[in-house]
Amino acid sequence: EAQVTQNPRYLITVTGKKLTVTCSQNMNHEYMSWYRQDPGLGLRQIYYSMNVEVTDKGDVPEGYKVSRKEKRNFPLILESPSPNQTSLYFCASSEQFGNTIYFGEGSWLTVV
Amino acid sequence: AQKITQTQPGMFVQEKEAVTLDCTYDTSDQSYGLFWYKQPSSGEMIFLIYQGSYDEQNATEGRYSLNFQKARKSANLVISASQLGDSAMYFCAMREGNFNKFYFGSGTKLNVKP
Repeated sequence: EAQVTQNPRYLITVTGKKLTVTCSQNMNHEYMSWYRQDPGLGLRQIYYSMNVEVTDKGDVPEGYKVSRKEKRNFPLILESPSPNQTSLYFCASSEQFGNTIYFGEGSWLTVV
Repeated sequence: AQKITQTQPGMFVQEKEAVTLDCTYDTSDQSYGLFWYKQPSSGEMIFLIYQGSYDEQNATEGRYSLNFQKARKSANLVISASQLGDSAMYFCAMREGNFNKFYFGSGTKLNVKP
């Protein structure tokens, strides 16, 4: 079954404590990306990756890091989380220029 | 300027009636893609329909159709014969050019009344 898997799905953490949200896809897609969803703002792209070792900033990259060492994995790293990073996070993947984007189930992150 | 604008924060529709959700976009690229997603209260993002900028015909997928008016830069979603299960948030999105940057609108919350 085609899947994008994110972990953890739910997390409450404290300000400044580094955390990583993992994302893995089993479709051999070149393209992967991360989004955050906030009320009234829709989804905003954080980072995206066109292929292994190729990453680029989206609209809201501040406070986040990513890496793409393997095709299937695209972790999102919050080095020093702050309360304004409390949000719903989605990982997504697709073929290069594909017309279907596959989303993970979302990760609810709360920073206190 | 906003890349994707959805001007209807919330809408009501009677079950079995058709409804149009508005979406306008802003790009200077010739090549782009337009998407609609549904997000039920459970939170997952469900792909509904896609329209490429070079597609001559409006996209259709079952009860969903995309009314693509290129000159007006609009990509409205039409849902025919609304069902109670259509109650959800709907997002319009655009993939711009060759850089795979995606932009989403702020969403429209649709409520289908029995």
